[in-house]
Amino acid sequence: AQSVTQLGSHVSVSEGALVLLRCNYSSSVPPYLFWYVQYPNQGLQLLLKYTTGATLVKGINGFEAEFKKSETSFHLTKPSAHMSDAAEYFCAVRALSGGYNKLIFGAGTRLAVHP
Amino acid sequence: GAVVSQHPSWVICKSGTSVKIECRSLDFQATTMFWYRQFPKQSLMLMATSNEGSKATYEQGVEKDKFLINHASLTLSTLTVTSAHPEDSSFYICSARAGTDGNQPQHFGDGTRLSIL
Repeated sequence: AQSVTQLGSHVSVSEGALVLLRCNYSSSVPPYLFWYVQYPNQGLQLLLKYTTGATLVKGINGFEAEFKKSETSFHLTKPSAHMSDAAEYFCAVRALSGGYNKLIFGAGTRLAVHP
Repeated sequence: GAVVSQHPSWVICKSGTSVKIECRSLDFQATTMFWYRQFPKQSLMLMATSNEGSKATYEQGVEKDKFLINHASLTLSTLTVTSAHPEDSSFYICSARAGTDGNQPQHFGDGTRLSIL
């Protein structure tokens, strides 16, 4: 079975500082991994995804993530935080269940950005 | 592209009534649609998966008679919460996916906040 664990339910950084949101996965098959962002009272927006190929994935809004099989990790980073990055971030892995591909989400990490 | 519209965005109703939430894919054909429930400050919990023209597949523990899902066309799915009670109050989010091989990304609606008095 597939699962993801997000380390740290809350992360706080200063504006301009490095953002690092941690995600570890468990999967019995080569994983498809995703990062989504959720702003208050809104749905989820896809930041980036890893399927196959290049292990460093670049996404929208300056975010990127690196797939490390040896560490079973898919951490999300951004070199310089903006105030507008404050939101909830979810890591997800694709799972096959009941004949359907579906997403299994982590518990989420709330990012706060301080001036 | 790939816009999913969810309506209504907020609904308040009395206990015992039924509430219908719509999820529409505006610029693509959604072969598969997903319904999630999210409690405050928690992650998304998948409730059910539906393919157009087929019965929905419900996750374990989700009452199919309570949460009726219809996916009658490639652009519309509905979730009806029947005889709603305060414990059904939550944030409900739909997502839609094109294609048949499961490799396309899911696109999410903006959610519906349901409050049952």
